[in-house]
Amino acid sequence: DAGVIQSPRHEVTEMGQEVTLRCKPISGHDYLFWYRQTMMRGLELLIYFNNNVPIDDSGMPEDRFSAKMPNASFSTLKIQPSEPRDSAVYFCASSPGGGEGVDEQYFGPGTRLTVT
Amino acid sequence: AQSVTQPDIHITVSEGASLELRCNYSYGATPYLFWYVQSPGQGLQLLLKYFSGDTLVQGIKGFEAEFKRSQSSFNLRKPSVHWSDAAEYFCAVGATRGTGGGADGLTFGKGTHLIIQP
Repeated sequence: DAGVIQSPRHEVTEMGQEVTLRCKPISGHDYLFWYRQTMMRGLELLIYFNNNVPIDDSGMPEDRFSAKMPNASFSTLKIQPSEPRDSAVYFCASSPGGGEGVDEQYFGPGTRLTVT
Repeated sequence: AQSVTQPDIHITVSEGASLELRCNYSYGATPYLFWYVQSPGQGLQLLLKYFSGDTLVQGIKGFEAEFKRSQSSFNLRKPSVHWSDAAEYFCAVGATRGTGGGADGLTFGKGTHLIIQP
């Protein structure tokens, strides 16, 4: 398997623009997670899905952020409008599911977002 | 809710020396514990995990970790580090599935930056 795939790897945009980050999880995994990593706050869980259904979006910073998972092989994280404080590395991760406890998560390479 | 503390922001060790990275967790039940490594510009890679059973777990790249319930710790060790081990290391804790909220996710520590001296 190719692992978790994220695109783009780097995104530079101007404040106020819409940004869409994409993720393809590992085939057969039931869970998909979106994280944000910054120096100040470390790794933060933004939202996660189970079988394409959003389970917990309490980590989404504000209404400018939205995430979708239209099918088992694709998810997007959208920021509209973007602001400089959204600059961070955004990671997507997936995990198999089905066990009694949480499974290990497999991370993508991340998207480095810079908002100027 | 669970939490993780990695007390050391930076650690410097000489190549060939032994390593121990500290991790303390807070969780009311039996935790699911993980160590991840992140090289510069890369995603996180799983080093090892503890779910149950033997409290000393072996991972990839010669790493091991020991779960100590009495100390709420899950410290990562390596007997002899290599220059390629320089990276950021994250400890994470997970809960029993289905206990609500973000329980299906992992809570990460802030990370420990490992520097290897020649």
